[in-house]
Amino acid sequence: KQEVTQIPAALSVPEGENLVLNCSFTDSAIYNLQWFRQDPGKGLTSLLLIQSSQREQTSGRLNASLDKSSGRSTLYIAASQPGDSATYLCAVNDYKLSFGAGTTVTVRA
Amino acid sequence: GAVVSQHPSWVICKSGTSVKIECRSLDFQATTMFWYRQFPKQSLMLMATSNEGSKATYEQGVEKDKFLINHASLTLSTLTVTSAHPEDSSFYICSAYLGDWNQETQYFGPGTRLLVL
Repeated sequence: KQEVTQIPAALSVPEGENLVLNCSFTDSAIYNLQWFRQDPGKGLTSLLLIQSSQREQTSGRLNASLDKSSGRSTLYIAASQPGDSATYLCAVNDYKLSFGAGTTVTVRA
Repeated sequence: GAVVSQHPSWVICKSGTSVKIECRSLDFQATTMFWYRQFPKQSLMLMATSNEGSKATYEQGVEKDKFLINHASLTLSTLTVTSAHPEDSSFYICSAYLGDWNQETQYFGPGTRLLVL
């Protein structure tokens, strides 16, 4: 059974600082990995999708890397802003999505 | 494009009643939809996979007689929580694949918050 772990569980940084969010998974036989954002009481917003053959994906201030062999992915958010405050979830797809528990980010103005 | 809606967005019901939650793909056809449950401060847990025209596949530990899933068309899946109890209070989210499941992302609905009194 796929186990997905996210560290840290919570993170508080001042505005402008770069964010590094980690995700690890136990079974490397995946098709892709996604990072999502979830605001309190809301659904999920897909941020980045990395196929298993890719090493990284970038969108604006967001960059996600994938090392499938070691079962790790990292989400980098550059120059954080208060609007980045949310919970970030990673999910691995081996047909079904398995989610980590998330990292709750607070960016202080 | 690729919008998934859920109705209702929140519902409060008395213990013992049944509640139906709808999940619709608005601008695409979805052969497969998924139902997740999220408890406070926890991650999403897959409950079941809903396939159009066939029986749903439930994850281990999910009571299929309690959580009835119907996927009657390519744009609609419903989750009925039967004889709801307070422990069923949770955030229920559906999703649907657009395109090939191993290439494309899942698109998620906005979620339905259920509170059972």
